Amino acid sequence: GQNIDQPTEMTATEGAIVQINCTYQTSGFNGLFWYQQHAGEAPTFLSYNVLDGLEEKGRFSSFLSRSKGYSYLLLKELQMKDSASYLCAVKGSTLGRLYFGRGTQLTVWP
Amino acid sequence: GAVVSQHPSWVICKSGTSVKIECRSLDFQATTMFWYRQFPKQSLMLMATSNEGSKATYEQGVEKDKFLINHASLTLSTLTVTSAHPEDSSFYICSARGGPTYEQYFGPGTRLTVT
Repeated sequence: GQNIDQPTEMTATEGAIVQINCTYQTSGFNGLFWYQQHAGEAPTFLSYNVLDGLEEKGRFSSFLSRSKGYSYLLLKELQMKDSASYLCAVKGSTLGRLYFGRGTQLTVWP
Repeated sequence: GAVVSQHPSWVICKSGTSVKIECRSLDFQATTMFWYRQFPKQSLMLMATSNEGSKATYEQGVEKDKFLINHASLTLSTLTVTSAHPEDSSFYICSARGGPTYEQYFGPGTRLTVT
């Protein structure tokens, strides 16, 4: 089976840095995605990692270790608008489908 | 580029009726479309995968006779919830795979409420 695990909730203050971890066990691996989802809206793409290492994109960075089945999303200089659910998803090998974690609800306090 | 639309964005229907949700890729051809369902504070659960011109592949536990999926063209897939019941009330999201990077792009979602 497929298992994607991430914390349910996290809180942080404006201007801080937060790291959201994701561990996975899947039968196939063709990359790992991070999505941001605000309540009542569809997910929006944040990052994609297929090779080990760190991908940086502005305030957001994502890291992948395939040997450890581990990824994290790093958010810097947090803003109130970053309060959202962050979804970790692994692309499996069958039809390119995505296996989603339950999402981490991040609340940013002033 | 890579825009996916869904229609309607929200719908309220009575128990026992059927509802059709459309998913369109506006500026690219989508060889594969995915339909997800999301309950409050839950993650996205894949319901089915559809390839243009062929039958959809349903995930275990999803009733194919209740959730009819049609992918008649490279830009349109439809999900019909037949004989809807209150427990079908959920947020339905489609995604389309294609475009220059062959990645998945999500639609804005459809909020279904069955009374």
